[in-house]
Amino acid sequence: GNSVTQMEGPVTLSEEAFLTINCTYTATGYPSLFWYVQYPGEGLQLLLKATKADDKGSNKGFEATYRKETTSFHLEKGSVQVSDSAVYFCALTDYKLSFGAGTTVTVRA
Amino acid sequence: KAGVTQTPRYLIKTRGQQVTLSCSPISGHRSVSWYQQTPGQGLQFLFEYFSETQRNKGNFPGRFSGRQFSNSRSEMNVSTLELGDSALYLCASRDHRGNTEAFFGQGTRLTVV
Repeated sequence: GNSVTQMEGPVTLSEEAFLTINCTYTATGYPSLFWYVQYPGEGLQLLLKATKADDKGSNKGFEATYRKETTSFHLEKGSVQVSDSAVYFCALTDYKLSFGAGTTVTVRA
Repeated sequence: KAGVTQTPRYLIKTRGQQVTLSCSPISGHRSVSWYQQTPGQGLQFLFEYFSETQRNKGNFPGRFSGRQFSNSRSEMNVSTLELGDSALYLCASRDHRGNTEAFFGQGTRLTVV
């Protein structure tokens, strides 16, 4: 079946540092890929998505590229802020949604 | 348009009781999924309903059940509550097409004492 593996962390960074969260997937079909973010006490919010190979999703300075050859969808941001502190989930859907374990990111001022 | 609405936001129940949580999906969405989130187990899939039928089911005991109404609103019920059922319960809605993103509610925080 489909599955997602992501770097579990926790990850602690200083403001303006570069952030990368690795995500790889296993899927039999042609899934769409997503990154969700969860702020404390909240539900999950869609951060970005990519629906086919080589697509790049981007939002709020975050980017991720759908790499079919390496089955990866790594999340990156060039300069993080304290407000980016949250839990990040990689997910895929091939009709059924599958989530990674989540990565807790803490950004210090 | 309005997002996914979950009620109530917070609940405190006693062991052995039962609880019903409600989810109203985004207008036009016919798929509703439920997830349990705990610090130890992460995000775990409970079940998905589509057009009033359970389409997928996770690995939870029969104490966890759900249903979906003709207007796509969904409820989940947990009977004979245990301390380990304390969690954030999240509802997500999707439209009827495949490979689309899910939109989440803010969740219901259930505490069992």
